[in-house]
Amino acid sequence: ETGVTQTPRHLVMGMTNKKSLKCEQHLGHNAMYWYKQSAKKPLELMFVYSLEERVENNSVPSRFSPECPNSSHLFLHLHTLQPEDSALYLCASSQDQKGANEKLFFGSGTQLSVL
Amino acid sequence: EDQVTQSPEALRLQEGESSSLNCSYTVSGLRGLFWYRQDPGKGPEFLFTLYSAGEEKEKERLKATLTKKESFLHITAPKPEDSATYLCAVQAYGGATNKLIFGTGTLLAVQP
Repeated sequence: ETGVTQTPRHLVMGMTNKKSLKCEQHLGHNAMYWYKQSAKKPLELMFVYSLEERVENNSVPSRFSPECPNSSHLFLHLHTLQPEDSALYLCASSQDQKGANEKLFFGSGTQLSVL
Repeated sequence: EDQVTQSPEALRLQEGESSSLNCSYTVSGLRGLFWYRQDPGKGPEFLFTLYSAGEEKEKERLKATLTKKESFLHITAPKPEDSATYLCAVQAYGGATNKLIFGTGTLLAVQP
């Protein structure tokens, strides 16, 4: 399998649930990202991992918790979310070249609905 | 504050009717400007990177150009399969590395 794979594609959860989003990249990249995409809003960077270390946490609420166990896998752990957290969550990867952000490769996203 | 504005918000074209999408940006120092295409139910797909004013890049019916204030994505003789949302993003010098600032996109519909 090639590219960036995200699971699940769709997720419905209550505000008290705990769930995790999974992302896997098969491109040999060394940087991985979580983005949030809401209707009528720009893509919003949430977290960046480069060489498995978190280098960016864009003031994201603590109810979102990322985990990057290796350069190919990225998780987003969710707990006690709010309805306004409903959005498309996109994972991406790139080959980070000393801060120059070359092209990102995105997965198809997880459409999250919080009831 | 670094900012990206795309216009129009939506554009409807007849097949073969050429047009342009605009991406205006304000950034302290431009490291790169990126164009992506996003189909419904999918993540954005990379199209182009532009680095300096005057630069142009082409791919099939698409041509991207860059000035010091804006970028255009020209679509020549579009086909229905060009229908998608087109996203523009910039990366700035001096800010956090790996950070792209995206616009809200232009939704393009090409009718046969």
